[in-house]
Amino acid sequence: DTGVSQDPRHKITKRGQNVTFRCDPISEHNRLYWYRQTLGQGPEFLTYFQNEAQLEKSRLLSDRFSAERPKGSFSTLEIQRTEQGDSAMYLCASSSRRGGISYEQYFGPGTRLTVT
Amino acid sequence: AQKVTQAQTEISVVEKEDVTLDCVYETRDTTYYLFWYKQPPSGELVFLIRRNSFDEQNEISGRYSWNFQKSTSSFNFTITASQVVDSAVYFCALRPYNFGNEKLTFGTGTRLTIIP
Repeated sequence: DTGVSQDPRHKITKRGQNVTFRCDPISEHNRLYWYRQTLGQGPEFLTYFQNEAQLEKSRLLSDRFSAERPKGSFSTLEIQRTEQGDSAMYLCASSSRRGGISYEQYFGPGTRLTVT
Repeated sequence: AQKVTQAQTEISVVEKEDVTLDCVYETRDTTYYLFWYKQPPSGELVFLIRRNSFDEQNEISGRYSWNFQKSTSSFNFTITASQVVDSAVYFCALRPYNFGNEKLTFGTGTRLTIIP
């Protein structure tokens, strides 16, 4: 049973460039979440999907951010025109929902983004 | 609005000592979930426990125990006979119980260092 995987693990980019991250959830999980974590802080919610539908987006997710989960399996998070303030760890999590109850979220190792 | 406060930023104890990590939360929801996650130096958040707000029984799992007190809005975590492998950042988190609201609200974490 593999856990949540994320790729790449580290990304260094120059300000103004676009970046895309990928998340593969645990195979039987139908819910997928993105969080952002800056140094010394707890993770902050960005968005989540049930299957391919994006159900909620945080106000932290500016117009430069877009997330997709086209086939209800893996998800991508794209940041356009990166800014230095985007430097953070981007965490993906997944969970299952059974009988109307959503269970705990399991997190991947994260993608650390550094914008220079 | 939901809020989780972990007032202890850093704690250091000598190996084999007991240590308690505090978590205080605020929510207007009548039912909710509380969680603890561990983030070791590798960076991946590891799920430890989920509690429902209507179940105030304390829980013990090996050296770990959790004390949930709804009257004081606290969900504290105790490690008994600490070990060096317990060194990590620990996060308390909260989310509503109702369907469709999946966002986890995290505290800022407590960095625990176990001194050998």
